[in-house]
Amino acid sequence: KNQVEQSPQSLIILEGKNCTLQCNYTVSPFSNLRWYKQDTGRGPVSLTIMTFSENTKSNGRYTATLDADTKQSSLHITASQLSDSASYICVVTDFSGGYNKLIFGAGTRLAVHP
Amino acid sequence: EPEVTQTPSHQVTQMGQEVILRCVPISNHLYFYWYRQILGQKVEFLVSFYNNEISEKSEIFDDQFSVERPDGSNFTLKIRSTKLEDSAMYFCASSDSGNTDTQYFGPGTRLTVL
Repeated sequence: KNQVEQSPQSLIILEGKNCTLQCNYTVSPFSNLRWYKQDTGRGPVSLTIMTFSENTKSNGRYTATLDADTKQSSLHITASQLSDSASYICVVTDFSGGYNKLIFGAGTRLAVHP
Repeated sequence: EPEVTQTPSHQVTQMGQEVILRCVPISNHLYFYWYRQILGQKVEFLVSFYNNEISEKSEIFDDQFSVERPDGSNFTLKIRSTKLEDSAMYFCASSDSGNTDTQYFGPGTRLTVL
């Protein structure tokens, strides 16, 4: 069964610190991997998209890495800000049907404290 | 910046009633999606829609659900006879292409079935 597992489930850090969130997946065939940020009660917002041939992708203070061999990805947040408090969701695209079906992880809930 | 909009933001209904959730995707997008997120759980794919027909649906999307693009702008999700377990946030998303393109999510409709 196609799955996306994330760790840790939740994380508390102090403002200005860095953190790294992990994602393991078993989705196959694999088209691309995305990281989304979801504020409470809002829709997910895309941070990065990586295809299987990409190893790293940055978006400001967010840097995602991908190892397609081990089926692992990470999201590194640099110099955290209070506004980074949100759920970060790893999403892997199952393209087996010829169309884009997103398989969502449960997310890591990040809290940035002053 | 163009965005996906959804109405209503919150819908309360009695069990067994029909509900229609409305979405206006980004105007030049061709692919449309519905997802749901039960409180405290992960986002789940329901259905994708392209060229006026369903391209893929999950096991959640049973005969009680239907989607329609009644005109050039709206994309609707109908639940024929709501159940208590249909209570969730429902997110609409759209994308320009069906593969590696970013899916843009709306703010969601919170459905409460009493």
